[in-house]
Amino acid sequence: GAVVSQHPSWVICKSGTSVKIECRSLDFQATTMFWYRQFPKQSLMLMATSNEGSKATYEQGVEKDKFLINHASLTLSTLTVTSAHPEDSSFYICSARDGSDYEQYFGPGTRLTVT
Amino acid sequence: GQNIDQPTEMTATEGAIVQINCTYQTSGFNGLFWYQQHAGEAPTFLSYNVLDGLEEKGRFSSFLSRSKGYSYLLLKELQMKDSASYLCAVADSNYQLIWGAGTKLIIKP
Repeated sequence: GAVVSQHPSWVICKSGTSVKIECRSLDFQATTMFWYRQFPKQSLMLMATSNEGSKATYEQGVEKDKFLINHASLTLSTLTVTSAHPEDSSFYICSARDGSDYEQYFGPGTRLTVT
Repeated sequence: GQNIDQPTEMTATEGAIVQINCTYQTSGFNGLFWYQQHAGEAPTFLSYNVLDGLEEKGRFSSFLSRSKGYSYLLLKELQMKDSASYLCAVADSNYQLIWGAGTKLIIKP
């Protein structure tokens, strides 16, 4: 149980375009979802926390207008990287938590390359 | 401020035992997690400690001392597949995970 999927697993896009990444909890209801970014050889960096039906809470230094997060249902959250630039190239990982469990269940990650 | 410290890198020999330490200072404490992350993959859950003491799970054990703000992950009978980064994370008073930078473990034959 507690499976989280992400789509796509990797994507290459041109600078200036937008990319949407989906995160789904397959067998539980995710009241809270988290979006992380990880650069090579660095630890996870929390970008934002989203609760179903409400606006995401962004960490300091993360541009909310650039990284649009929608958590419209208890099983789906999306991250849209708008007007992507090469410096946005990174490994994006989502995780999900249900209301009764402290553990975060991670998706497999999405590798974004902006050319 | 909130801070999680763990060694950057460790090397051990196949079949041996290795202990990865983690010290923390956080605003509130609702448990400490250890995750394993292989290169290019997402983290996978290893253990969760919220009370003092040792939790054993197969070849892996995790220890917590809340009074000392200290935890360790003990890996026994090391295998080559254990080569990975090991991430320590603490759930703060808001149940948000504060992450350490990770310890890269290199296993040599």
